[in-house]
Amino acid sequence: DQQVKQNSPSLSVQEGRISILNCDYTNSMFDYFLWYKKYPAEGPTFLISISSIKDKNEDGRFTVFLNKSAKHLSLHIVPSQPGDSAVYFCAASVLGGKLIFGQGTELSVKP
Amino acid sequence: GAGVSQTPSNKVTEKGKYVELRCDPISGHTALYWYRQSLGQGPEFLIYFQGTGAADDSGLPNDRFFAVRPEGSVSTLKIQRTERGDSAVYLCASSPRTSGINEQFFGPGTRLTVL
Repeated sequence: DQQVKQNSPSLSVQEGRISILNCDYTNSMFDYFLWYKKYPAEGPTFLISISSIKDKNEDGRFTVFLNKSAKHLSLHIVPSQPGDSAVYFCAASVLGGKLIFGQGTELSVKP
Repeated sequence: GAGVSQTPSNKVTEKGKYVELRCDPISGHTALYWYRQSLGQGPEFLIYFQGTGAADDSGLPNDRFFAVRPEGSVSTLKIQRTERGDSAVYLCASSPRTSGINEQFFGPGTRLTVL
């Protein structure tokens, strides 16, 4: 069963606008959630994380929101830039062990 | 400083052959992880080392897959009797901690193609 799901395989946004990437999970034992960004032929790069006891974490243009009751998190990128075009993965962990990833959302930011 | 490195970057082999994939983690990182990524999917966990020992090998698909980390640094993922379904990108990651926010640093991956 897919414990972490990203239901949108792709998203296209105009430069300067907001990008919102969504992620749903099923396991209430997850204690940390992370977002990774991946360019072709490279490994995933850590972007931002949030503890399950928080509901928001912000780092520059990137903000992650966590809604525990809905088992949903989202990544907001404001303003979006063409260099943000990549595949974004949501991941979750329990007690600092393995990461469980969603399927990814390919973001395309148009100039 | 140097990031996680993986060799080879590409490996093409024939069905039934044996392959070894190598991972050099970031110096000082005690935790090391192997993942496998198929086209259109997210990375899928295989095995995790804390030091020299495998702390969690629940993701290894079957007994053809084996991994070692004999000195607590470099790790080798070994696949016996390769099958076409083993074709994927194999990713290695390392982390300085195994509690709290487990930010894992990934290498570029090894693309394995089994013909």
